[in-house]
Amino acid sequence: DAKTTQPNSMESNEEEPVHLPCNHSTISGTDYIHWYRQLPSQGPEYVIHGLTSNVNNRMASLAIAEDRKSSTLILHRATLRDAAVYYCILSPTGGTSYGKLTFGQGTILTVHP
Amino acid sequence: NAGVTQTPKFQVLKTGQSMTLQCAQDMNHEYMSWYRQDPGMGLRLIHYSVGAGITDQGEVPNGYNVSRSTTEDFPLRLLSAAPSQTSVYFCASSSREGVKDEQYFGPGTRLTVT
Repeated sequence: DAKTTQPNSMESNEEEPVHLPCNHSTISGTDYIHWYRQLPSQGPEYVIHGLTSNVNNRMASLAIAEDRKSSTLILHRATLRDAAVYYCILSPTGGTSYGKLTFGQGTILTVHP
Repeated sequence: NAGVTQTPKFQVLKTGQSMTLQCAQDMNHEYMSWYRQDPGMGLRLIHYSVGAGITDQGEVPNGYNVSRSTTEDFPLRLLSAAPSQTSVYFCASSSREGVKDEQYFGPGTRLTVT
């Protein structure tokens, strides 16, 4: 299965933008790029996903490199509630691996007031 | 909609005991799965189901059984609990097409095996 690489931790100040990088150099053509986050003592929460084009939703934006070997999750204005572990995940849509999410260690985001 | 519900929230077992973790969803989702999360780690897939009557193993299936007799419920059975199964267990669901979109996770069950 294709793997992702993320920094262990990042810090931000409240109301500033945050760019969370993810490398996935072995991504296959049918893998979707998903981002989930996990707040303390909660289950993971979907943030955004994409295949090839950049995506925006009410929570964040996802910028995908042209070769799809990396992506960046953008939080436009960080709030204290955004402090969480952020997981970049490749979701295969082919064969027997359909829909299986493989979580790595993720990036711990700390937001300072 | 209640979304994905899990019971119990907390459980303490002695080594060798068996128990069932319950998971239910009211969104008519075909796809359901169980993950475990050990301290400081990401989630690992235990078992999953793509519909009633269909289950398959994930990354760490040993010591766990599942069945899917209805669309709504996907219980996880621990056959003979071991301390290595101390973890937080999350259930997730999504629609068949929504597997490409998002999975909904329950709040988790914290299990301690002594």
